[in-house]
Amino acid sequence: SQKIEQNSEALNIQEGKTATLTCNYTNYSPAYLQWYRQDPGRGPVFLLLIRENEKEKRKERLKVTFDTTLKQSLFHITASQPADSATYLCALADFGNEKLTFGTGTRLTIIP
Amino acid sequence: DTAVSQTPKYLVTQMGNDKSIKCEQNLGHDTMYWYKQDSKKFLKIMFSYNNKELIINETVPNRFSPKSPDKAHLNLHINSLELGDSAVYFCASSHHLGLAVNTGELFFGEGSRLTVL
Repeated sequence: SQKIEQNSEALNIQEGKTATLTCNYTNYSPAYLQWYRQDPGRGPVFLLLIRENEKEKRKERLKVTFDTTLKQSLFHITASQPADSATYLCALADFGNEKLTFGTGTRLTIIP
Repeated sequence: DTAVSQTPKYLVTQMGNDKSIKCEQNLGHDTMYWYKQDSKKFLKIMFSYNNKELIINETVPNRFSPKSPDKAHLNLHINSLELGDSAVYFCASSHHLGLAVNTGELFFGEGSRLTVL
């Protein structure tokens, strides 16, 4: 069966360090993988998209990698700040399938 | 101006009742979606419409009926509410079906928290 798993339900990181979140998938051939941020009581907000033929994508302090051999994406936040505290969701869609499926999410807390 | 707006934000009702959640987007997008987020924060697609036409219909009970009067609106009607329907329902939109994936521009509303007693 198809699964998208994010490494941990909750992750605590000291301010200023790099936070690394993991997204693993099973039985997908994703065309794209996306990362979203969700704050409590709010809807998810798109952050980054990486295509299956791309290894890495950056946006300011954010970096996403995509390894289709390992079936894994890593999401990094460098120089983390308390304002980065939120739940982060990965999502992907198979080739030819318009349905975007979300992972279970990781609740990230940056400790001052 | 809010891009994707849902009403109501909170809805508390008794089992067996019928309720509706409305969604409107002012982004000029062609595709709209309903997602359900359960108590474990798992976000699951329910339906998507492209230009008022139903495109994705996941395994959702028949008690859930989406209606799209025009491409800027996608409403969700739920009949005979059950305890398990309690969740946060998110409406989302994207420019074209498929472009949500190509460009990552899936815009979500703030959610409607439904509590069934």
